[in-house]
Parts: sequence; C-alpha cells; structure tokens
Amino acid sequence: KAGVTQTPRYLIKTRGQQVTLSCSPISGHRSVSWYQQTPGQGLQFLFEYFSETQRNKGNFPGRFSGRQFSNSRSEMNVSTLELGDSALYLCASSYRELQETQYFGPGTRLLVL
Amino acid sequence: QKEVEQDPGPLSVPEGAIVSLNCTYSNSAFQYFMWYRQYSRKGPELLMYTYSSGNKEDGRFTAQVDKSSKYISLFIRDSQPSDSATYLCAMKGAFNTDKLIFGTGTRLQVFP
Repeated sequence: KAGVTQTPRYLIKTRGQQVTLSCSPISGHRSVSWYQQTPGQGLQFLFEYFSETQRNKGNFPGRFSGRQFSNSRSEMNVSTLELGDSALYLCASSYRELQETQYFGPGTRLLVL
Repeated sequence: QKEVEQDPGPLSVPEGAIVSLNCTYSNSAFQYFMWYRQYSRKGPELLMYTYSSGNKEDGRFTAQVDKSSKYISLFIRDSQPSDSATYLCAMKGAFNTDKLIFGTGTRLQVFP
C-alpha cells in the first residue's frame, strides 16, 4: 500500500506571498491532519479534515487554512507568509477522525525569506 | 508548562547499549500513548502504540506507561546505528475530538 505523499517537498517563498501544499493520504484513509514542525516548538497541530469537513483546529491564525476533496486528498494554504512560517509541514492520515495511530508523509519544507 | 515534556537530548550511546527515552505529562485525561521515530529529512513513523497503563513489547522495543506518575518510557535493547533518529512521544485523550499532543523529541545517536 502506498504511503502518504506530499508535494512539493521543498519550497522557497518570500514574505507576503501565499503557498499551497498538497497531501494524498493512504488509500482508504478518510482523515487528514496537518502539523507544523519547528525546532523550538516541535510538532504542532494545525487542523484535521474528515469527509471533506474540518473537524478540529489548532491555535494558528486564520492565514492558515485547508480543505479536503471527495477523494480525501487535502490541501493546506498559508496566505501572507511571515518569516516565522518557515517550518516542516507534515500531513498525517488515518482511517477514522483524529485516530491515535496516524501515518505521516515526508513533509514539505517551507523556507520564507 | 507544556502538556508533554521530553528531554531534547542529544543522547549518544555505543552500539549494543540499552536506551531509555522518557516523557512526562500533566493531563490525566490522556489514554493513548505513542512513540514515533523520525529520521532526518523524513516524516515521523509510528513505532509503538499503547492504550492506558502497562507494558508493550515489539522486538527490541518496549513501551511502558505509568499513569499514576504520568510518565512514559521507551526502551531500546541492543541499540544499532540504524536507531539513530529523533524519538517523539505523543498522547491523546479518549474522545474522537481529542488531538494528538507531541513531545518535542529526543535526538538519539548510536555510534559503532
């Protein structure tokens, strides 16, 4: 079974720009969660989508948004990028919503200059 | 104070050593306890998963949960250089709406 895939793997943007990241979950998984990973804060939960609906949200500003499509693929968008948004963005999929066993993709490394 | 505390390391041990990795937590509602391994430039990989208190063994890995002390451990026996990675603990409450809360990770290096 193919794992979670994320595109692109690396991205360089400048402040003020926006970015869209994509995540394809494991086949049959209906839940996709997004996390931000930084050296200082570790893994922080952004939001989770299940059956095309956002089911849970972390403590991030409204500049961070997402959506999920009918095939369970998900996109995350960050508008008006700030330097502090530089991080590894990980998505994880699971069969049920916010299931304790989540399977992570390789991440998208975003650098904001 | 963070909900989950984990010593960042780095922890450096010789090949063959027994490694002990630990996390403490403050939220008594946590019921599910996980350990993830993350290699450099990769996403976290689920290593061990435990529900409530007790021990769980899988090959060279043993996970222990002590809910009375709010303390969890991962033991690695006969450590190998391929075990060199960052180990993240994660915890979750019993409800579907509960989020996974991660520790910041402990970097482990096993040298030959």
